[in-house]
Formats: sequence, C-alpha cells, structure tokens
Amino acid sequence: DVKVTQSSRYLVKRTGEKVFLECVQDMDHENMFWYRQDPGLGLRLIYFSYDVKMKEKGDIPEGYSVSREKKERFSLILESASTNQTSMYLCASSLTPAGGEQYFGPGTRLTVT
Amino acid sequence: AQSVTQPDIHITVSEGASLELRCNYSYGATPYLFWYVQSPGQGLQLLLKYFSGDTLVQGIKGFEAEFKRSQSSFNLRKPSVHWSDAAEYFCAVGVMDSNYQLIWGAGTKLIIKP
Repeated sequence: DVKVTQSSRYLVKRTGEKVFLECVQDMDHENMFWYRQDPGLGLRLIYFSYDVKMKEKGDIPEGYSVSREKKERFSLILESASTNQTSMYLCASSLTPAGGEQYFGPGTRLTVT
Repeated sequence: AQSVTQPDIHITVSEGASLELRCNYSYGATPYLFWYVQSPGQGLQLLLKYFSGDTLVQGIKGFEAEFKRSQSSFNLRKPSVHWSDAAEYFCAVGVMDSNYQLIWGAGTKLIIKP
C-alpha cells in the first residue's frame, strides 16, 4: 500500500513564526502536492512538484513556499505564519500527472494564534 | 474554465436507505473522474475512478458511480447506507490541460440518521 505520512497531526504556532510541514511518501511517486482544506471550499492546491527540485504554483501559493530536495519528501513552508493560514493541510502523491489517482496523508491541522 | 460542482453541501439519509450524491463538471472533453471519501479526522481515500470504458464503475465499500456524458455528471450511489458511511465526499476531475492538477468539488457532508 502507498503510504503518505505528514510530520504532525496538530500544530499550534504564533503569528510571524516560520512553519515547516513535512510530507513523506514511500512509493517512489514523481508527483507530490500540497493542498489546504477549508469548510465549504473543498481542496485548494497550494503547490505541486513533478520531480526533485521542480515545483509549480497552484491556485493559492501566496504566503507559502515549498522544497523538494529528495523524491520522497515534499515540504511546505509558511515563511511568516498568519491567522488566515489556520487550516487543514493535506499532502498527496501520485505516480502519473493529471488524471492519476492521488494518495493522501492524514493531514495537519494548523492553528496560528 | 474547468469546474466541478457538488450542489449539496449536506445530505441526511436514514441508515439503510439509498444514497445518491451529485457531481457535475464543466470541461470540453471527457475528463478522468474520481470520488474520494474523508472520514472524520482522516485524509482522503479513493472510492472509485472512471477513465474510459463502461460508464458504471464499482468502487470500494459498496459504492458505484455512473458517468453520463450528456449531462456532464458523475453521480455516486449506494443502495443501502451504513452509519460508518458518515463522512465528507469529494468529486474530482482530472484534465490533461490543467497543468497536473485535479479540480475538486467543494464536498458533500453525509449525515446518517439512526
């Protein structure tokens, strides 16, 4: 089974802090994704990566950056956390690009106070 | 622009009753179609997918979905729901010109009445 793990299930940070969310997948997938999930808005894509050191902006990249130094690991960085970044963050990976099944981690519930 | 619509934010169904969750998409060609389920506190799990072929697809947990090209729909069905089906359900569409993105519906929260 594909396994996608995220470093924390719950995280509480203060406004202005730099926040790192880590995601690791164990199936050698090329593609990895970071989403945020808010009630009534579904999933919104923040960034995705289709190869090591490659990244593309999604729909809502402002205030976020990403890093992919190794194929299995994709990190989301909040450079200076703000209260409007309080959300559920979901990481996913897939073997193929658009149209391919995505496998999700359990999510990180981030609260910024 | 491509879009996915799940018109029902919440649906309440009695245990044992049948279920249909609606999903409509806007796209010029036939996309790849997915239904995912998110149980409380969990990540998303794939229920079923349609790429081509038979328009009625079977998934896990007794779910099925039917692709209707003329209606641009991919509705999810289950003949008899169980309390454990209470969750949020997301429809997603994969289009080859979307720069590797899946386009997601806003989700439908399923509530089961005992």
